[in-house]
Amino acid sequence: NAGVMQNPRHLVRRRGQEARLRCSPMKGHSHVYWYRQLPEEGLKFMVYLQKENIIDESGMPKERFSAEFPKEGPSILRIQQVVRGDSAAYFCASSPPAGYYEQYFGPGTRLTVT
Amino acid sequence: AQTVTQSQPEMSVQEAETVTLSCTYDTSESNYYLFWYKQPPSRQMILVIRQEAYKQQNATENRFSVNFQKAAKSFSLKISDSQLGDTAMYFCAFMNSGGYQKVTFGTGTKLQVIP
Repeated sequence: NAGVMQNPRHLVRRRGQEARLRCSPMKGHSHVYWYRQLPEEGLKFMVYLQKENIIDESGMPKERFSAEFPKEGPSILRIQQVVRGDSAAYFCASSPPAGYYEQYFGPGTRLTVT
Repeated sequence: AQTVTQSQPEMSVQEAETVTLSCTYDTSESNYYLFWYKQPPSRQMILVIRQEAYKQQNATENRFSVNFQKAAKSFSLKISDSQLGDTAMYFCAFMNSGGYQKVTFGTGTKLQVIP
């Protein structure tokens, strides 16, 4: 059973460009979480999604950031008009559908804004 | 809101020795989950051990064990017989009960195992 997949692993964008980060949850998992890790810090929750629904986006910046988890395909975290402060590692985690509490993490995408 | 505090930014231990990493948390909930995650240089987040707050018995996974003090809101990680592969960042984390909740992480402790 493949783990949580994230791509790309490394992404370089110039200021003002858009960044799209992809997350494929583990097989059978229908819940996806995105976290951001700034340099020298712990992970901070951004958003929690189920298929076609955003459940909790309390950690998501209100401007420029959006997330989706369509019926088919991976979850996407989209950052528009990136700024240097967006440089960070972005982690995706998934959990199964039936009242399970453990989240399984992907390897992360390291975004660098130049 | 829940908070997780790790007061030791860096620690070191000799290979084969024992080390304890500290963690305290703050919550008004009575049931919740606590975790320790390891993040090696590869940056992959690896679950080391979990504890359910309603269980009084401390969790153990091979060389890793916890000291869970619910009244004191303390959750320390003990690593016995430290190995070079244990060198990593260690994050303490909290999640409310009920599943499908966000995880709140501490700021981490950087552990260096010295040969």
